[in-house]
Amino acid sequence: QVQLVQSGAEVKKPGSSVKVSCKVSGGTFNSYAINWVRQAPGQGLECMGEIIPIFSKKEYAQKFQGRLTISADESTSTAFMELSNLRSDDTAVYYCARAAATRENAFDIWGQGTMLTVSS
Amino acid sequence: DIQMTQSPSSVSASVGDRVTVTCRASQDVSSWLAWYQQKPGKAPKLLIYAVSSLQNGVPSRFSGSRSGTDFILTITNLQPEDFATYYCQQAKSFPGTFGQGTKLEIK
Repeated sequence: QVQLVQSGAEVKKPGSSVKVSCKVSGGTFNSYAINWVRQAPGQGLECMGEIIPIFSKKEYAQKFQGRLTISADESTSTAFMELSNLRSDDTAVYYCARAAATRENAFDIWGQGTMLTVSS
Repeated sequence: DIQMTQSPSSVSASVGDRVTVTCRASQDVSSWLAWYQQKPGKAPKLLIYAVSSLQNGVPSRFSGSRSGTDFILTITNLQPEDFATYYCQQAKSFPGTFGQGTKLEIK
């Protein structure tokens, strides 16, 4: 059974960077797109970017261009999301999610979420 | 980006009721439309993909359909565990934008 397991909660200061990991276990890693989605407190879901390791393809939502870097380490089946120049409004839960081509690219498996708090 | 407009933002219902949630896309998304359920403190869970296909393990009281440009999530015979927030998402083009969410509350 495929699982996505994310790294733990982070507390960061404004202007710093954070790197969150998402380890895929129980299935193939590089043939799916891994997306990063965030959810601010009490708010909805927002897609940030995705990576398809087998194609070395990455896409970033325009809102995060220049601040977001998504990467993958195929040797450990782990995807990473790095967000720089953090602001207080980056405080949110960050999820990784697998997009399944067999499900019309719906996000069929999600990580448990990583809480990021940005505060001085 | 494709905008997804979801309504209502909240709805109150009782156990055993039937509820519908509607989502409209700003552009054609063909059949690339999914619905998710999210409970407090948990990750979203895929319920329906490709407009009307039920994800494995999801009860058959959940269904999805399309009427013109509207996509509809229907929950029949509401159960206590169904009270949650529901989101639609278009998966036709990046970024896969979500609707604003519909909070289903107990009346």
